[in-house]
Amino acid sequence: DTEVTQTPKHLVMGMTNKKSLKCEQHMGHRAMYWYKQKAKKPPELMFVYSYEKLSINESVPSRFSPECPNSSLLNLHLHALQPEDSALYLCASSQGTVARGRSEAFFGQGTRLTVV
Amino acid sequence: GIQVEQSPPDLILQEGANSTLRCNFSDSVNNLQWFHQNPWGQLINLFYIPSGTKQNGRLSATTVATERYSLLYISSSQTTDSGVYFCAAKGNRDDKIIFGKGTRLHILP
Repeated sequence: DTEVTQTPKHLVMGMTNKKSLKCEQHMGHRAMYWYKQKAKKPPELMFVYSYEKLSINESVPSRFSPECPNSSLLNLHLHALQPEDSALYLCASSQGTVARGRSEAFFGQGTRLTVV
Repeated sequence: GIQVEQSPPDLILQEGANSTLRCNFSDSVNNLQWFHQNPWGQLINLFYIPSGTKQNGRLSATTVATERYSLLYISSSQTTDSGVYFCAAKGNRDDKIIFGKGTRLHILP
């Protein structure tokens, strides 16, 4: 099973709302990622968790708050977003740099977020 | 961190033609992947190829790690091959997986 599951697939939220994006994998991967992708642009790295600890934050605004409750789950909490935050949010997992074998990354289908 | 460049940015071909997409990276890698992004946004894994050559049907890929580039070959293109192809790399120093800007491929019937 090489599946990364993201929910919801679509989300429309107001600028004063609080919502969460969820990501789940059962491949035993120890690195999990959040990416943001705007139209006609490549995915842009936001956060990396390694062994359930935040290892990389690419200077993302605090209105995005990641959480890794356990090795299989990754959340992205959203609060007071702006319309320019509308994008496709992708989650990924891989074995990470400590793995001696393959470190192939697998991506979820994404959550298409619209902020109104 | 590692930098990834792809070329060409756009490619328009007639159905049946062959194509070569290139990915250059700035540092040693322990992960080099090629993806095809479908119209719904799903990134489909094509190849995990930090070095060497692999083939899967009409697609093949080669990475020359010592010269820091990878090539994706598509033979006998079909209209269903249209879309954006991304190369992504991870260096040896951290867990960042960085994407190139992609090649947008249009296959005309």
